[in-house]
Amino acid sequence: SYELTQPPSVSVSPGQTATITCSGDNLGAKYASWYQQRPGQSPVMVIYQNTKRPSGIPERFSGSNSGNTATLTISGTQAMDEADYHCQAWDRSAVIFGGGTKLTVL
Amino acid sequence: EVQLVQSGAEVKKPGESLKISCKGSGYSFNGYWIGWVRRVPGKGLEWMGVIYPGDSGTTYSPSFEGQVTISVDKSTTTAYLQWSSLKASDTAIYYCARQRVATIDMKKLNYFDFWGQGTLVTVSS
Repeated sequence: SYELTQPPSVSVSPGQTATITCSGDNLGAKYASWYQQRPGQSPVMVIYQNTKRPSGIPERFSGSNSGNTATLTISGTQAMDEADYHCQAWDRSAVIFGGGTKLTVL
Repeated sequence: EVQLVQSGAEVKKPGESLKISCKGSGYSFNGYWIGWVRRVPGKGLEWMGVIYPGDSGTTYSPSFEGQVTISVDKSTTTAYLQWSSLKASDTAIYYCARQRVATIDMKKLNYFDFWGQGTLVTVSS
C-alpha cells in the first residue's frame, strides 16, 4: 500500500523558515495537501493542490511538490505556528496521510 | 458559513455498539462528500472512508472496511459513523470533514476543506 513519510519533528527559531517534507513514491505525480493541527483543535487545511492557499491562510505558508517529495514551507515562522502538520494525497481510491510532523518554535 | 457539528464524547465498554453523528449546515449538503478521519493519541491522521449524501455511495479504507459503517440522513443533513462491537483499540478522536473530490489535469484531487470539532470515543472496561 502507498505510504507517505514525514519527519517526526522539526524545530525552528521565531522569524526563521521552517521546512517540512513528505516523501512518497512518485508523489510529484499526485496532488498533495497539508493540514495544521494545534493541540486540542481540529485540523485546518493550509495548502491544497500542491501549492494553493485557502482563503484566510497567511502568505507565509507555501507548498511545492516534485519528484518523490512534497514540501511545506513556513516563512517568518511565528510562535502560533507551533503545531502538528500532516501531509495528504490520494492513491488508488484511498486517502493517504503522512505520520505527521510536530513543529516546535523555540 | 459552512459548519460540521459532531456529537459529544462517548465512553463505552468493549463489545458495545456506538453511532456518532456529524451535522452539516451552511452549504448544499447533498452535493459534497463527507469523510471520516481517526486520530489515535500520539499518532497521525487515518482516513476511514467517505460518503456522498446525494446517493449514499460509500468508499471505505481497506483498513476499516467491515469494522465500521458510514451512513447519512439527507433529511437532517447528518452523516453517521457506527460500530457494532467496539474494541479498546477504537479509542481515538473521530473527525468528520467535507471531502472535496475533483479530477484536474487527469489527476485525482482530494482534500478536506472544513472539519468538525471531533468526537472523543473512549473504550474501556
